[in-house]
Amino acid sequence: QVELVESGGGAVQTGTSLRLSCAASGFTFRSYQMHWVRQAPGKGLEWLAVIWYDGSNSHYGDSVKGRFTISRDNSRNTLYLQMNNLRGEDTAVYYCARGPLRWYFDLWGRGTLVTVSS
Amino acid sequence: QSALTQPASVSGSPGQSITISCSGTSSDIGGSNYVSWYQQYPGKAPKLMIYDVSYRPSGVSDRFSASKSGNTASLTISALQAEDEADYYCSSYRSISTLVLFGGGTKLTVL
Repeated sequence: QVELVESGGGAVQTGTSLRLSCAASGFTFRSYQMHWVRQAPGKGLEWLAVIWYDGSNSHYGDSVKGRFTISRDNSRNTLYLQMNNLRGEDTAVYYCARGPLRWYFDLWGRGTLVTVSS
Repeated sequence: QSALTQPASVSGSPGQSITISCSGTSSDIGGSNYVSWYQQYPGKAPKLMIYDVSYRPSGVSDRFSASKSGNTASLTISALQAEDEADYYCSSYRSISTLVLFGGGTKLTVL
């Protein structure tokens, strides 16, 4: 079945690092752009990053540029988000989302919660 | 970067129609055909309802329609049903800085 499953979330301290994973199944992963989107508790959606289908290019939102890195392993059908120097405002549910070669998200994972505290 | 502007809440009775607006700038909504809309139930992942301004994915009810005029996009839900009660988010590609913006979300209440 077509799905995305995030993992790697948890409770961490300010200033530390965390790597999220997103396992894709049921579709040709290497054919799609992939994105990370987050949602702070009780707040709206915030786009974080995109990576091209072949990993050749990536772009980031201003709030995470320089701290977060998106990557992918097409041989493992897996998307990653390396998050460094975490702050309290990074506390959120993190979703991976599939993007056809146009700027929308047609498949979402269930999300993984990241809680950052001091 | 500022989010796209949506009303915080809208409401309607079953059978009625409602419209949710989403305002941006010429750098995002006004200059892009990549406007999309998402439905989200509490504790669940968002679901794509509209893409490329006005196209519905397979499986989405034709009660959902959308359009764009200038820097403002709109989502209309006709013949409201109880199951439509959810949060709705607009999104647009942006040609500068952060490439994708979301609206702040609109809570739809079906009275």
